Amino acid sequence: DAKTTQPPSMDCAEGRAANLPCNHSTISGNEYVYWYRQIHSQGPQYIIHGLKNNETNEMASLIITEDRKSSTLILPHATLRDTAVYYCIVREGATNTGNQFYFGTGTSLTVIP
Amino acid sequence: NAGVTQTPKFRVLKTGQSMTLLCAQDMNHEYMYWYRQDPGMGLRLIHYSVGEGTTAKGEVPDGYNVSRLKKQNFLLGLESAAPSQTSVYFCASRIGGAYNEQFFGPGTRLTVL
Repeated sequence: DAKTTQPPSMDCAEGRAANLPCNHSTISGNEYVYWYRQIHSQGPQYIIHGLKNNETNEMASLIITEDRKSSTLILPHATLRDTAVYYCIVREGATNTGNQFYFGTGTSLTVIP
Repeated sequence: NAGVTQTPKFRVLKTGQSMTLLCAQDMNHEYMYWYRQDPGMGLRLIHYSVGEGTTAKGEVPDGYNVSRLKKQNFLLGLESAAPSQTSVYFCASRIGGAYNEQFFGPGTRLTVL
């Protein structure tokens, strides 16, 4: 699975959009981009995933560049409860090989009142 | 529907002692995972299972054993605990196939003295 690079930390004002970048320049054609977050001391929580099209759900939007070498997770109206570590993970879809998700150190997002 | 539960929530062991961590899920998921998370780091996969009666090694399997005798349970054993195994342990499960999310338990905080 391709490696990802994320900034270690970011701040965002409450009510504003939080844009979390992820670089995955070695991503291959059948690899998906997944985002999880971990609120302090809790188990990680799935947010969203995508292959090449932009995706949106009730939690967030995922924007993947046309060359798929980077993506951005957007929390449209950040609240204090969005303060967490956000993990960007790339792994193969359409295969059961390994079934492993490699979590890096993620981005620590702090939402400021 | 309790989701993924872990027992115990906290435990303190002395070096050389053994213990078993229990993970249970009531979602009829095929795949189950054990991760560890050390301070300031992301999650690392210890072992995983793709179905009842199967287990496989992850990224950091040494010093741990696992069993999946029943589909709903995934046990993680430490035969001779070491201080290096002080960590927070997370269990996760998912339905199976390629594209679906992992559901995480609340974690077990283990300290080995």
